[in-house]
Amino acid sequence: AQRVTQPEKLLSVFKGAPVELKCNYSYSGSPELFWYVQYSRQRLQLLLRHISRESIKGFTADLNKGETSFHLKKPFAQEEDSAMYYCALRSSNTGKLIFGQGTTLQVKP
Amino acid sequence: EPEVTQTPSHQVTQMGQEVILRCVPISNHLYFYWYRQILGQKVEFLVSFYNNEISEKSEIFDDQFSVERPDGSNFTLKIRSTKLEDSAMYFCASIRTGTGELFFGEGSRLTVL
Repeated sequence: AQRVTQPEKLLSVFKGAPVELKCNYSYSGSPELFWYVQYSRQRLQLLLRHISRESIKGFTADLNKGETSFHLKKPFAQEEDSAMYYCALRSSNTGKLIFGQGTTLQVKP
Repeated sequence: EPEVTQTPSHQVTQMGQEVILRCVPISNHLYFYWYRQILGQKVEFLVSFYNNEISEKSEIFDDQFSVERPDGSNFTLKIRSTKLEDSAMYFCASIRTGTGELFFGEGSRLTVL
């Protein structure tokens, strides 16, 4: 079964602390994974995708096929990073995404 | 920058009533989607639409739901006879190709009383 799991509903850190939002997936083929972010009162928007291997707003994520994980990391959290983060898996050539439950990141001053 | 737009932003309806949620995808996009998010739960796929037909649908997308692209720009989701459990945020999304970035609208909040 195709599934994305984000075990933490809420992650609360202080500004400047490192952040790791966990994501594990279950997929039989070659996965394409994404992180989407939703800031307060804004639409869901793409943060990064594993095939780009880029860093956006200081965030990185590495696909680990052995551990079936795609954790999102940032070495020093900022208050403006506070948002809802969704890990997602593209499962078909129709472009459909399967989302995890989402993790709320709260960065305290 | 082009955006996916959705109307209405919030609709309140009585159980059993029909509801139509409207979306205008980005103009050169070819694949269109509806997702929903019940309060406190995850974003769930409902249906994908390509080349004027449904390409994939989830178990949630039963006979009460339908989608249409009536005029080449709007993409609508109709719920024929709403139930209390249809209360959710409904997101429209579009993509240029099956491998590109998915762009979302701001969502339509549906409240069924």
